[in-house]
Amino acid sequence: DTEVTQTPKHLVMGMTNKKSLKCEQHMGHRAMYWYKQKAKKPPELMFVYSYEKLSINESVPSRFSPECPNSSLLNLHLHALQPEDSALYLCASSQGPGTGKGTQYFGPGTRLTVL
Amino acid sequence: AQKVTQAQTEISVVEKEDVTLDCVYETRDTTYYLFWYKQPPSGELVFLIRRNSFDEQNEISGRYSWNFQKSTSSFNFTITASQVVDSAVYFCALSENSGGYQKVTFGTGTKLQVIP
Repeated sequence: DTEVTQTPKHLVMGMTNKKSLKCEQHMGHRAMYWYKQKAKKPPELMFVYSYEKLSINESVPSRFSPECPNSSLLNLHLHALQPEDSALYLCASSQGPGTGKGTQYFGPGTRLTVL
Repeated sequence: AQKVTQAQTEISVVEKEDVTLDCVYETRDTTYYLFWYKQPPSGELVFLIRRNSFDEQNEISGRYSWNFQKSTSSFNFTITASQVVDSAVYFCALSENSGGYQKVTFGTGTKLQVIP
């Protein structure tokens, strides 16, 4: 089973709202990732969690706040977003953080619209 | 810095035609991994194949085949007898070790449209 689930599938929020995106995997993977994908562009890495610790933050604005409550769950808390943050947010997981453990399996994504 | 180039932005073929998607990469590492992902309109990135830099053996999986050539830094993907369900954006990606972590660089993607 190579399934990564994400909720919600779609999200519309105002610039003053606080919302959260959720990601879950039950493959026993120890590395989890958040990507942002704008239309007609490739995914861009935002955060990497390795063994439930934040390992990489690709200079993401603080209005995006990741959280890894346990090895199966990854959240992305959103606050005071801007319209340009509207995008597809993809979660992925891999067996481990290194290249040798490396296939990343992606979830279906959350389509976020910021009004 | 690593780089992945997919020169074909969009390709249209008629159903049952064969189509090859090109991918050229740049890296300084001797150990790296190459991937192909499919992204249908629904948005999910579907993993298709992973190849490591030491394995140049070509692979065939049903109607899909991959040609990895280190000499030309290319990892091309061929779909034989294309079907409408193959319509999607296909991303080639390169994974390198960056400070102990896997850093994946995606190409810009090739949008494939298969016309019935």
